[in-house]
Amino acid sequence: AQKITQTQPGMFVQEKEAVTLDCTYDTSDQSYGLFWYKQPSSGEMIFLIYQGSYDEQNATEGRYSLNFQKARKSANLVISASQLGDSAMYFCANRSGNTPLVFGKGTRLSVIA
Amino acid sequence: DARVTQTPRHKVTEMGQEVTMRCQPILGHNTVFWYRQTMMQGLELLAYFRNRAPLDDSGMPKDRFSAEMPDATLATLKIQPSEPRDSAVYFCASGLGDRGADGYTFGSGTRLTVV
Repeated sequence: AQKITQTQPGMFVQEKEAVTLDCTYDTSDQSYGLFWYKQPSSGEMIFLIYQGSYDEQNATEGRYSLNFQKARKSANLVISASQLGDSAMYFCANRSGNTPLVFGKGTRLSVIA
Repeated sequence: DARVTQTPRHKVTEMGQEVTMRCQPILGHNTVFWYRQTMMQGLELLAYFRNRAPLDDSGMPKDRFSAEMPDATLATLKIQPSEPRDSAVYFCASGLGDRGADGYTFGSGTRLTVV
């Protein structure tokens, strides 16, 4: 069974600084994908970034990048130049093949002006 | 932008009443998921469909929950009878299940309160 662990219940970051949100995963599958979602206070779930297990390069999407360390089974999200609008819950998720996403418990990020 | 539409956004009901939540997935998406979000358990998968066929509903309490997809444009989640412990936010999501890089698109959720 897949399992996602996010060890940071809450994080604070100064505006314009970079922040790393941790995520480790546990899967026995060779082919899998890792996802990050953002959930602002309004409640919607917003897809941010994807990393495939066979991707050699770390994924990047604008200010978001994924620090993928396959041997350590970690897929940390890095947000550069934090903005006040980045304050939200962030969820890491994993899927293998066609199976549904399995989510971690989330990290609440607060950006301070 | 294409979006997943969920109704109602909020529902307050008394214990024992039937609750029906509806979801209109994105046109062309062949996979539909129902997730429940609570503070204690986080996001839990309740059930999902591919090409309208139910693939897994092991996350649902079978005695009171049922999920159906009567056509490609509508998925429903019913709770009968509802209980206070069912209070949660219920999300519907849709995607293309055979493409690993596709993140799902989530609806805005139905916030259910059972009193």
